[in-house]
Amino acid sequence: NAGVTQTPKFRILKIGQSMTLQCTQDMNHNYMYWYRQDPGMGLKLIYYSVGAGITDKGEVPNGYNVSRSTTEDFPLRLELAAPSQTSVYFCASRYAGRNYGYTFGSGTRLTVV
Amino acid sequence: GENVEQHPSTLSVQEGDSAVIKCTYSDSASNYFPWYKQELGKRPQLIIDIRSNVGEKKDQRIAVTLNKTAKHFSLHITETQPEDSAVYFCAAQREGSGSARQLTFGSGTQLTVLP
Repeated sequence: NAGVTQTPKFRILKIGQSMTLQCTQDMNHNYMYWYRQDPGMGLKLIYYSVGAGITDKGEVPNGYNVSRSTTEDFPLRLELAAPSQTSVYFCASRYAGRNYGYTFGSGTRLTVV
Repeated sequence: GENVEQHPSTLSVQEGDSAVIKCTYSDSASNYFPWYKQELGKRPQLIIDIRSNVGEKKDQRIAVTLNKTAKHFSLHITETQPEDSAVYFCAAQREGSGSARQLTFGSGTQLTVLP
């Protein structure tokens, strides 16, 4: 049981490039989330999904896209990277139903130069 | 939507002393309140949580209290140790549809335990 796995751990992008941050979980969790954490700041929700084929915007979705074709995978796509997207990205998942805590991945540190 | 405020933003205590971090929330329908600990460069990890049907929960040196009337909950760490040094996040959530299925996080508290 690997939990929530994120790849890559680190990445440097040039302005205007695109990339996909991968997230996969093996706990059969229905709900999955993408958060970004800027230096010294809290966690802001980018997108979330309550099941395969269902996604919805969070607080800061601009510049990002997601898909959820399977229960296990929830990739985050950055199109036309900008310096403002320099951040640490965390994927998280939890069971559906009443009040379960999140399990977080180890994060992807992204720098856009 | 939900709004969670957390105080203080930084907290320094002497080893062995107690530390208290406080959070308030805005949505009276919120019913689940977890606390996460994030060590430098690591992922947030759940350390304790409380549901709205209880007022207090304790796990060894860590306790959480909830006042639903005041919409306020707190994390208490007793006999602090250097390894308690980290950023602590509170969060709030209510079950339901749409955005209710997500946690709303506080802004974090940097706790430093001085030897």
